[in-house]
Amino acid sequence: SQQGEEDPQALSIQEGENATMNCSYKTSINNLQWYRQNSGRGLVHLILIRSNEREKHSGRLRVTLDTSKKSSSLLITASRAADTASYFCATDFKGSSNTGKLIFGQGTTLQVKP
Amino acid sequence: DAGVIQSPRHEVTEMGQEVTLRCKPISGHDYLFWYRQTMMRGLELLIYFNNNVPIDDSGMPEDRFSAKMPNASFSTLKIQPSEPRDSAVYFCASSFNRYGYTFGSGTRLTVV
Repeated sequence: SQQGEEDPQALSIQEGENATMNCSYKTSINNLQWYRQNSGRGLVHLILIRSNEREKHSGRLRVTLDTSKKSSSLLITASRAADTASYFCATDFKGSSNTGKLIFGQGTTLQVKP
Repeated sequence: DAGVIQSPRHEVTEMGQEVTLRCKPISGHDYLFWYRQTMMRGLELLIYFNNNVPIDDSGMPEDRFSAKMPNASFSTLKIQPSEPRDSAVYFCASSFNRYGYTFGSGTRLTVV
């Protein structure tokens, strides 16, 4: 499967702590994206990192990409109860047959306890 | 912008009936995607369009599923006949030049 794999599947932390989620994939990519999904809602785009980038920041979010290891991580710093959600990585694979095809991982369920 | 609009939000239908899900993408977006989400299988890409043309429908599970995009502002996903295993949340998403996708709120389909 080309699908990204994420770990951990579930993560529970206290408010104020940092949360780190990891994503691995199998084939070359154009970019990798992270999304958040609150229970019963649609997915919300958080951040996109291109294959030639190694790190990107957006507010309390920090994403890294290691194309040699085919892996990415999402760090949420100073977590808040409102960060409780499922987080998905999604990969835009390289190759003409896959152009534009965004494949999602299984997600990490994050619970931030107040 | 109202975002990606999907209708209906909820659909309960009997096995064997035809189901049509609708999506209005964000104006100006050139990609449209249909995904299905279940607990068992996660988010599955069913089909996607670029400039109203279907590019990849390899994720469509069976011939019972069909999707159309007659113009840049409307797409439908049809299931005929529906079966209980089709029960899932169906999401539509659109994107401009594949830079970040905007998802609709989804249609929760229950086939009894």
